[in-house]
Amino acid sequence: NAGVTQTPKFQVLKTGQSMTLQCAQDMNHEYMSWYRQDPGMGLRLIHYSVGAGITDQGEVPNGYNVSRSTTEDFPLRLLSAAPSQTSVYFCASGGSTGELFFGEGSRLTVL
Amino acid sequence: ELKVEQNPLFLSMQEGKNYTIYCNYSTTSDRLYWYRQDPGKSLESLFVLLSNGAVKQEGRLMASLDTKARLSTLHITAAVHDLSATYFCAVDPEYGNKLVFGAGTILRVKS
Repeated sequence: NAGVTQTPKFQVLKTGQSMTLQCAQDMNHEYMSWYRQDPGMGLRLIHYSVGAGITDQGEVPNGYNVSRSTTEDFPLRLLSAAPSQTSVYFCASGGSTGELFFGEGSRLTVL
Repeated sequence: ELKVEQNPLFLSMQEGKNYTIYCNYSTTSDRLYWYRQDPGKSLESLFVLLSNGAVKQEGRLMASLDTKARLSTLHITAAVHDLSATYFCAVDPEYGNKLVFGAGTILRVKS
């Protein structure tokens, strides 16, 4: 089992560029989510999905877009990158106990 | 708005000593999680606490949950260098995997 797989692991963007962070899970979890991690702030929820075709906003959704066409995949799109979006992004999927399983993270730098 | 507060945020310990990390949260929940993160790595699930009075132990770490006090503790017994990492607690207020994280406690164990 691969668990939760994220790509790319590293990315450098210029302000205004767009990109997609990919996330896939093979645990057949209905729940998937994206967090960003910034120093001293823990993890903050960006968007989440409780199943294919269903998405909703978390705590810090502005500047990001998501879709969920399959159970396995949950991509995160940055529409027009800003330096404030420089962060480490984690995708997670969740089981029935509420526990989350995290991908390895994607480190994004916006210049 | 749910707030999750960890105390202390930074802990420097000598090997062989005991210490406790505290996690307070501001709303009713009986689902609490502890994660470990090594530098540059993903989050690894340590403990899943799903009821008042729950206690779980793994090696030198023991976690407990008091839902009436809205408090969880992570106790470290006879610390060793390998325990050096950042520890996060997270609360699930809606019983649906939408975890809210504390800021994290950076633990350094010195020999």
